Parts: sequence; C-alpha cells; structure tokens
Amino acid sequence: DQQVKQNSPSLSVQEGRISILNCDYTNSMFDYFLWYKKYPAEGPTFLISISSIKDKNEDGRFTVFLNKSAKHLSLHIVPSQPGDSAVYFCAASADSGTYKYIFGTGTRLKVLA
Amino acid sequence: ETGVTQTPRHLVMGMTNKKSLKCEQHLGHNAMYWYKQSAKKPLELMFVYSLEERVENNSVPSRFSPECPNSSHLFLHLHTLQPEDSALYLCASSQDVQAYGYTFGSGTRLTVV
Repeated sequence: DQQVKQNSPSLSVQEGRISILNCDYTNSMFDYFLWYKKYPAEGPTFLISISSIKDKNEDGRFTVFLNKSAKHLSLHIVPSQPGDSAVYFCAASADSGTYKYIFGTGTRLKVLA
Repeated sequence: ETGVTQTPRHLVMGMTNKKSLKCEQHLGHNAMYWYKQSAKKPLELMFVYSLEERVENNSVPSRFSPECPNSSHLFLHLHTLQPEDSALYLCASSQDVQAYGYTFGSGTRLTVV
C-alpha cells in the first residue's frame, strides 16, 4: 500500500492562473516533505521542502502548505508559466536526517499558453 | 561536464545478458544513490553509498549488483534480468546522506526482452 499518494495523475492550468498539486500521506510519523520537478528526458530536480514544525514554506512563485491533521500537503504555483509544465513528485520521510524518502507517483502539470 | 551523468541513456538487453549502467558526478558529493522508476509506480530507492561504502540495500534482488569504486563513480551491474525489471534507472548524488537536495541524472531507460 502506498504511503505517499498523488491521486491526480495530471492537471491542466491556464497560464497566469494558480496551479495546485496535492499529496496525501498515511504515515503520521512523516515529518519532512519534499517536492521535485521532472522534465522529460531529465532527472528530477529539487524544488522546495517543508518540515512538520511549519505549515507553510514559500520560495518565489512556489509555496508548499502542510496540514498535519489531514496528512495532506499541497504545492501552489502562482502565477503558472508554460515552463512549469513538468511532472511533480512529492516525497516524505520519518527521519529528516536520512535518505529514506518515500515518493509519490507524480502529477503531470500542463500549463496552457 | 557538470552534474550527474548517466550512460547509456537507453539499453535493451536479453534475459541472459550481462550489462552495466554507469553514473558519474563532478559535484564533490559524498553520497550516491540508485533509484528505480517503473511505469506508474513511485521512485524506489535501491542502493545508497556513502563515501564509497554501501549503507543501504533496499531488498534488491541479487541480479542487481552495485559498485562504487570512488566517490565520483557508481555502477549498477545487471545479469539474468527479468522483463519486469524494465524501468527507468536513476542515479542521484547529494553532499552526504543527511542532505535531501539530491541531484539526479537523466536516467537509463532499460528494456529487458
């Protein structure tokens, strides 16, 4: 059974609007979360992280929100740009000091010009 | 060349063949990883090396054999694979095993026939 779930395999958003990518997890011990972005024919690149002591982390157009009680995190991209079109993976760990991250299956975002 | 480089980009092999995947990083990182990404499945951690010592073997079958001759190079030796081993194999590196900002290579797309 998957511990980290990205239930929307794909999402289309108009350029300039907000993109919201969701991620749910089942393990209440998870306390550190990452988002990666992957373009076709390239490896994933690290985007943004959040620890459980926060409920929000912002980096430019990217903001990650964490709702621990709901075991849910989301990545907001505002405004969305065509260059944001990629697959986005969330990952979670119960031990932020190690490499033991569990990844979701990814959501393919398409930003329409 | 900078970043993490993987060769070959594509590989087709028979079930009785022996082949090797190569990964090289010029980032001065001390930790290197092999991940497997099967279709519609999450990234799965296979092996972790820290300072050329293997620190994790994530229940990977013995037909996959990693080798880390130095901190810049990582190999994955393959022999007598099964068709279900067909996947994208990603190499990554990080400053050390506590760091989460992995740098991934572009991957080797492996097809076992």
